[in-house]
Amino acid sequence: DAGVTQSPTHLIKTRGQQVTLRCSPKSGHDTVSWYQQALGQGPQFIFQYYEEEERQRGNFPDRFSGHQFPNYSSELNVNALLLGDSALYLCASSLRVNSYEQYFGPGTRLTVT
Amino acid sequence: AQRVTQPEKLLSVFKGAPVELKCNYSYSGSPELFWYVQYSRQRLQLLLRHISRESIKGFTADLNKGETSFHLKKPFAQEEDSAMYYCALSGKTNAGKSTFGDGTTLTVKP
Repeated sequence: DAGVTQSPTHLIKTRGQQVTLRCSPKSGHDTVSWYQQALGQGPQFIFQYYEEEERQRGNFPDRFSGHQFPNYSSELNVNALLLGDSALYLCASSLRVNSYEQYFGPGTRLTVT
Repeated sequence: AQRVTQPEKLLSVFKGAPVELKCNYSYSGSPELFWYVQYSRQRLQLLLRHISRESIKGFTADLNKGETSFHLKKPFAQEEDSAMYYCALSGKTNAGKSTFGDGTTLTVKP
């Protein structure tokens, strides 16, 4: 089991563009959470998906949206990119929506120029 | 509001010395507290969770509700303990929503 996988590894976008990041959860996991980690800071919760629905959301604008597919994989979409969106985006999966034990992926490094 | 504070950005100790990484939290209720570790070029991984009361790789952490702290301790640091450590909390009703501190980089010198 490769654990949580994310693609792409790195991404460079221009301000105003849109971006889609992808995550495949650890085998057997049905819940996916997304975090944004700015340089020098801890991960910040964006939202969580379970049963193809957004279950919880952090303090992020509507420009951040997501999706979960029937195979439990997930996408994070960010519209109208700002320079401040430059960060490492982490995906974490867990066995159940109310499970505390999260397994993290390696992240996608997004740079907005 | 949930908040986690790790007052030390950097911590350096010699091999064999005791180490304590500080974590203070703010939460209205009974939180679940965690320590995550990220070794060089590896992904973030759970080190320990307060409710399990386990000792992982010689590390322990005690939840002090009076002082709202959850400091991570190890009596004898090893060079392989050098890593970034994050303290995090979740609420009992929102298990998947973790609030992280900004991390402490621990360096264990030979």
